[in-house]
Amino acid sequence: QSALTQPASVSGSPGQSITISCTGTSSDIGSYNLVSWYQQYPGKAPKLMIYEGSKRPSGVSNRFSGSKSGNTASLTISGLQAEDEADYYCCSYAGSSTKWVFGGGTKLTVL
Amino acid sequence: EVQLVESGGGLVQPGGSLRLSCAASGFTFSNSWMSWVRQAPGKGLEWVANIKQDGSEKNYVDSVKGRFTLSRDNAKNSLYLQLNSLRAEDTAVYYCARGGSSHFSYWGQGTLVTVSS
Repeated sequence: QSALTQPASVSGSPGQSITISCTGTSSDIGSYNLVSWYQQYPGKAPKLMIYEGSKRPSGVSNRFSGSKSGNTASLTISGLQAEDEADYYCCSYAGSSTKWVFGGGTKLTVL
Repeated sequence: EVQLVESGGGLVQPGGSLRLSCAASGFTFSNSWMSWVRQAPGKGLEWVANIKQDGSEKNYVDSVKGRFTLSRDNAKNSLYLQLNSLRAEDTAVYYCARGGSSHFSYWGQGTLVTVSS
């Protein structure tokens, strides 16, 4: 069982928007603005999509956005494209003892 | 271009040891926290360990404490993970990643460690 809870799967049609939630606790997401999101294609390495909750690295499409409310972080992908079909993982700092925790991952299917 | 290249994975018996290496290029290695993250077959990501720029601080997930040792050689732009007393549940692809204080900005392609008799 992962420390952060994500839906196992989400789906959407091209052009639509989807949101992936990531629920933690007051010891991780709720206490730190250090949530990041990663995209992973099958057999490939993860790629950073969002860091510090809502910041986008250079080169990442502005269709990807992040937010946080309380103990829950969210990744929103607007204008869905076929190339967005991948697994997405959230990650949060969890303090000096636990350090870093990941969500179980969400498989995004573009219909 | 940032590059992280892992090596050293393979098949090992339970109780055995391996040493993973990560060769870094394209950024100032000595200025970067570095981490290892693993992924068991068909499973999600799990942070394993991280190390501060000068090696003065190292952190480990509880399940590997006392068995895994993280080190770095800034002169060689290299990161190492010594894996001892390996268990079946350590079977995973091990990724080297730049970062560990805020996020993981770049990842290598990973090296597979299989623990089996």
